[in-house]
Amino acid sequence: EVQLVESGGGLVQPGGSLRLSCDASGFTFRTYAMSWVRQAPGKGLEWVSSISGSGQSPYYTDSVKGRFTISRDNSKNTLYLQMNSLRAEDTAIYYCAKWSKTTILSDFDYWGQGILVTVSS
Amino acid sequence: DIQMTQSPSTLSASVGDRVTITCRASQAIGSWLAWYQQKPGKAPKLLIYEASSLESGVPSRFSGSGSGTEFTLTISSLQPDDFATYYCQQYHFYRYTFGQGTKLEIK
Repeated sequence: EVQLVESGGGLVQPGGSLRLSCDASGFTFRTYAMSWVRQAPGKGLEWVSSISGSGQSPYYTDSVKGRFTISRDNSKNTLYLQMNSLRAEDTAIYYCAKWSKTTILSDFDYWGQGILVTVSS
Repeated sequence: DIQMTQSPSTLSASVGDRVTITCRASQAIGSWLAWYQQKPGKAPKLLIYEASSLESGVPSRFSGSGSGTEFTLTISSLQPDDFATYYCQQYHFYRYTFGQGTKLEIK
C-alpha cells in the first residue's frame, strides 16, 4: 500500500525557514517523480514544485522560486521542501504527491494527508 | 502559464441527478488533464487522468471527456458520497495548474 506522510510543518515568523519532509513507502520511490502542492485556507490547489526520480530537474512555481528548494533522498525514501524567507502568503496545507507515471509529465495518483504551515508574527 | 477555468464554481444538485462540470484551458493541452475530488479536511483523490481514463477503484458513474481546450467531468447519477469539491489539473506543461474548483452541494 502506497503511503506518503508529511512532517515538519508548524508556526513560523515571516522571514523564517522550515523544512518539510515526506516519508514514502509501498512503491519504488526512486522510480517516480514527486511534487509538492499547497492549499491556502479556504482556497484551491496550487502546484508548488516537482522533482524527477533521480533528483534532477527540479522546477518551481514563480512565487517560490529562489526561496524554496525541493530535494529527495532515495536511500531514505524521503522527499523534502526547504522553505526560506517565508511570507504570510505561504500559509497553507502542503501536500506531497506521487506521480502516477514515470514519463516526463504525469498526474498525481497518491497524496499525503497534508501538513499545515502557518507564517505569522 | 496556462490558466484553467472551471464552471460553475458551485453546483447544487440532488441524489440521482446527472451533473457536468466544465474545465477550459487557456491553451491547447491535448488530453493531458486530470480530475480530482476533495472532501473537507482530506487530500485530493485522483478520479480521471488523460482526460477520459478512469482511475482504478473509481466508480463508473464518473466519466471524463474532451481534448484541446475544453473538458468535462460527468457524474451520471449522484450519490451521497459525491458531494465534494472537484478540481481539474493540466499536466501538458511542466508548470502544472489547477482549476479554481467546483463545489458540488446538496440541493
